[in-house]
Amino acid sequence: EADIYQTPRYLVIGTGKKITLECSQTMGHDKMYWYQQDPGMELHLIHYSYGVNSTEKGDLSSESTVSRIRTEHFPLTLESARPSHTSQYLCASSERGTYGYTFGSGTRLTVV
Amino acid sequence: AQTVTQSQPEMSVQEAETVTLSCTYDTSESNYYLFWYKQPPSRQMILVIRQEAYKQQNATENRFSVNFQKAAKSFSLKISDSQLGDTAMYFCALNTGTASKLTFGTGTRLQVTL
Repeated sequence: EADIYQTPRYLVIGTGKKITLECSQTMGHDKMYWYQQDPGMELHLIHYSYGVNSTEKGDLSSESTVSRIRTEHFPLTLESARPSHTSQYLCASSERGTYGYTFGSGTRLTVV
Repeated sequence: AQTVTQSQPEMSVQEAETVTLSCTYDTSESNYYLFWYKQPPSRQMILVIRQEAYKQQNATENRFSVNFQKAAKSFSLKISDSQLGDTAMYFCALNTGTASKLTFGTGTRLQVTL
């Protein structure tokens, strides 16, 4: 079944650790997005990609980085996690913006 | 630039009643698409309904329908016969067709009570 997958679902990690949040989709979508969302709050776009080897920063400044080496894979990396990075991270993909997005289940990150 | 405004941070409705969530938007484009997304607590965000601006007929999906007022740039979501499972954050979103990104509103938290 075509879908978008995020792992891990929950992550608790110590300050200073490097972490990678995984996002993969099986729909062949060129466009992928990362959003940061505090629980019950609005969405903030932090990174997006319109295809392989194409990545852009979003509206909200973020210390994270992304890569897009394969169409289906769009991982997000934090080189040195801090408590201020504690949040939920949502990955989404789309074929065309006019069709809307398909969202993953999210990764809830806690940095202690 | 386009904007989406949801002026109701929180709403509450009793089970089986009808509730309307408000959304206004602004864009200079003539061709655009509007969406309502539902995000249940700790669950995946899903698309509820989609409206194409050039279609005058309001979109419906089972108990969910929209009131699309193009001139007023208003796009409200009506939920009929509310169920406990409708408890969620609801986000209104806009795509102008020329862009690949969606512009989201700040969300409305809906609580359905017994």
